[in-house]
Amino acid sequence: GEDVEQSLFLSVREGDSSVINCTYTDSSSTYLYWYKQEPGAGLQLLTYIFSNMDMKQDQRLTVLLNKKDKHLSLRIADTQTGDSAIYFCAEKDFGNEKLTFGTGTRLTIIP
Amino acid sequence: DAGVIQSPRHEVTEMGQEVTLRCKPISGHNSLFWYRQTMMRGLELLIYFNNNVPIDDSGMPEDRFSAKMPNASFSTLKIQPSEPRDSAVYFCASSLTGPAGSEQYFGPGTRLTVT
Repeated sequence: GEDVEQSLFLSVREGDSSVINCTYTDSSSTYLYWYKQEPGAGLQLLTYIFSNMDMKQDQRLTVLLNKKDKHLSLRIADTQTGDSAIYFCAEKDFGNEKLTFGTGTRLTIIP
Repeated sequence: DAGVIQSPRHEVTEMGQEVTLRCKPISGHNSLFWYRQTMMRGLELLIYFNNNVPIDDSGMPEDRFSAKMPNASFSTLKIQPSEPRDSAVYFCASSLTGPAGSEQYFGPGTRLTVT
């Protein structure tokens, strides 16, 4: 079955860039998503990338996709305290509405 | 848009009691998903509906869990009887499924504690 893996923790100094990594196993993935979860809240969709793209940029967020290595990353430029949260990557197969989520990466901002 | 609405936000119940969680998807969305989140197992998909029809319930833990979607604007997840190991945050999400793909939008969740 599908598997999506992420490291559990990341600490970054305020103002630096954060890079959150994700690997997946399913080669038929069509869409890959990044969600953000703040304490006590639901998951908020941040951005997504179609599998035939290499990069997508949206303001401070940059998503890079290496399809050969099945590696996805989310870069947050100029990290702020409000970026503290758990970040989940997820993949979706063609013709299937199910998302497979990673374990989530807890991002901590160091003042 | 009000987003996905879930109720109650918190539920504390005793083992053996019936629990009903409710969800109102975003108006116009045609797919609805129920997830469970725990520290041990992370985020698990329990069941999802498309056009009010259950499509995949392979994630439903056991017969104690049931879900219904009687119309496009309402769904319930019922646990009967509840057990302490059911304690978790239950999320509902909805999406508009189409040929260009779909993004799921999550509700705030229901935190269930079974004592």
